[in-house]
Amino acid sequence: AQSVTQLGSHVSVSEGALVLLRCNYSSSVPPYLFWYVQYPNQGLQLLLKYTSAATLVKGINGFEAEFKKSETSFHLTKPSAHMSDAAEYFCAVSHDSLFNQGGKLIFGQGTELSVKP
Amino acid sequence: GAVVSQHPSWVICKSGTSVKIECRSLDFQATTMFWYRQFPKQSLMLMATSNEGSKATYEQGVEKDKFLINHASLTLSTLTVTSAHPEDSSFYICSAAGQGSTEAFFGQGTRLTVV
Repeated sequence: AQSVTQLGSHVSVSEGALVLLRCNYSSSVPPYLFWYVQYPNQGLQLLLKYTSAATLVKGINGFEAEFKKSETSFHLTKPSAHMSDAAEYFCAVSHDSLFNQGGKLIFGQGTELSVKP
Repeated sequence: GAVVSQHPSWVICKSGTSVKIECRSLDFQATTMFWYRQFPKQSLMLMATSNEGSKATYEQGVEKDKFLINHASLTLSTLTVTSAHPEDSSFYICSAAGQGSTEAFFGQGTRLTVV
């Protein structure tokens, strides 16, 4: 079975400060990992994904994440927070990279990011 | 990127009635679609996975007779909440993936309120 744990249901940073959102996973098979962002009353937008290529993954809007197998982590970072980054962030894991062959996303609990001016 | 459209964005219905939510892939063929439910300030819970032309696979604890899923074409899947009750009020989100896709694209979600 696979699972994802996001440490911290709420993170608050100042504008311009480093953003660090934590995600740890549990998987009996090599995982495929994803970070999504959700704005109020909207669907999810993919920020980045790890699918067994480079361990440091760069995504949209200046976000990046590093896959660390030894720590079973996939933390999301951004060097400098912007007000528009305030949203809910979800880490997700799948056992298969191909969604039409049984792969499905298991989501973490989410982390709400607040950005103070 | 690929676009997935959900309709309606929000719906209010009376208790005991049925509500249908549509999920369409606008610019790709969605061989697989997923339906999620999200309670306020909570994560997304996968309800079921559907492959075009096949019966949906429901997650444990999801009542398949209450949440009817149809995926009759490569661009459309529907979720029907039958005999809705106030506890069914939630945010429902679909996502879709094409053949060989390593990404699932999400719809905007549907806010269902049962009164």
